[in-house]
Amino acid sequence: GAGVSQTPSNKVTEKGKYVELRCDPISGHTALYWYRQSLGQGPEFLIYFQGTGAADDSGLPNDRFFAVRPEGSVSTLKIQRTERGDSAVYLCASSFGHTGSPGANVLTFGAGSRLTVL
Amino acid sequence: GESVGLHLPTLSVQEGDNSIINCAYSNSASDYFIWYKQESGKGPQFIIDIRSNMDKRQGQRVTVLLNKTVKHLSLQIAATQPGDSAVYFCAENFVAAGNKLTFGGGTRVLVKP
Repeated sequence: GAGVSQTPSNKVTEKGKYVELRCDPISGHTALYWYRQSLGQGPEFLIYFQGTGAADDSGLPNDRFFAVRPEGSVSTLKIQRTERGDSAVYLCASSFGHTGSPGANVLTFGAGSRLTVL
Repeated sequence: GESVGLHLPTLSVQEGDNSIINCAYSNSASDYFIWYKQESGKGPQFIIDIRSNMDKRQGQRVTVLLNKTVKHLSLQIAATQPGDSAVYFCAENFVAAGNKLTFGGGTRVLVKP
């Protein structure tokens, strides 16, 4: 597609439930990033994929959070045993990747998935 | 859509005036500095970037200034329009860390007609 697509756009769940958020990056972009944005804050880095592998997962808050990108395109962010503090907008971004290549530093973001944990 | 600017510093600007948004960054080793615009209910949208070896870069109606001595970045918007109303974030990029961006706190710009 023309942009980064994220589904669902809104997800309401109950505390303790399992949630999956999906990201479809721009075709040809090898790098994919997940960020989390709380109300009134800037996006916070969670994890970054180069191709199929997680190149940096240092931003994942704990082991309840996990992300995959099995074929180097679509990625899924998985949250187990959700807590109220997980409520936020989860943003996905993609770029051409390859550190140092022209345009690699330009991340294109999706509209986000808004997660509300009751 | 969801507002991302409820508790952010706000800059009110008259339509047609110039806007200046400021940002302090943290990592003196960052390679790129980027400005993003975020409208309510949308993801951040790239505006302009500047490499660390430059001190000024101009785009269409926007200019970014970089002062590495005091770790300060600014975005100037010329002839501000109603469509410029949004939250603006600066971000820094340390290429060796994989192009992951570190975002600063945002500034909400409100354009008054």
